[in-house]
Amino acid sequence: EVQLQQSGAELVKPGASVKLSCKTSGYTFSNYYMSWLKQMPGQNIEWIGNIYGGNGGTGYNQKFKGKATLTVDKSSSTAYMDLSSLTSEDSAVYFCAAGYYWYFDFWGPGTMVTVSS
Amino acid sequence: IQLTQSPSLLSASVGDRVTLSCKGSQNINNYLAWYQQKLGEAPKLLIYNTNSLQTGIPSRFSGSGSGTDYTLTISSLQPEDVATYFCYQYNNGLTFGSGTKLEIK
Repeated sequence: EVQLQQSGAELVKPGASVKLSCKTSGYTFSNYYMSWLKQMPGQNIEWIGNIYGGNGGTGYNQKFKGKATLTVDKSSSTAYMDLSSLTSEDSAVYFCAAGYYWYFDFWGPGTMVTVSS
Repeated sequence: IQLTQSPSLLSASVGDRVTLSCKGSQNINNYLAWYQQKLGEAPKLLIYNTNSLQTGIPSRFSGSGSGTDYTLTISSLQPEDVATYFCYQYNNGLTFGSGTKLEIK
């Protein structure tokens, strides 16, 4: 069974950074792309970027360049996303989602990030 | 490519045939998927490449379309289908529609 386990909810102060994790099991991590997506209430889901599990190659939505940094640890089949210089506009639920192609077959449950002083 | 879904809210009865629409601002070339998101859960892939049913998804779900216009059909609505449905295109950039919320009448 494919599982994507995401880290717990975060409450962070404006200007700070946060690192989210997505630990996977049940599929060959190195054969899939891991994407990260942002969902805010009442707004369309946004694709942030992806990283290939095999070689760590990345691609980003231009909107999130400089905001998000994606990494992987192949040894533990875990993907990470660093979000920097957080503002209230970064408060959202963030999903990791694995896909062999450009759509997303498997999703994590999401991590809620709240940016507040 | 921008995606426009209609209606934004749909109320139907159990057993009804339900049709959800997704229209792109440009040709999508059949690179369109549909996701189901239940309250408090992650989206689930239903359909990819316009009409390919994801493994494990009931056959009452089907997709069709071409060019800029695409449709998700539920042949016989079930109570467990209450959710928001998003279309998603991967032909030019990666974008989601705003969703159709499906309720039981």
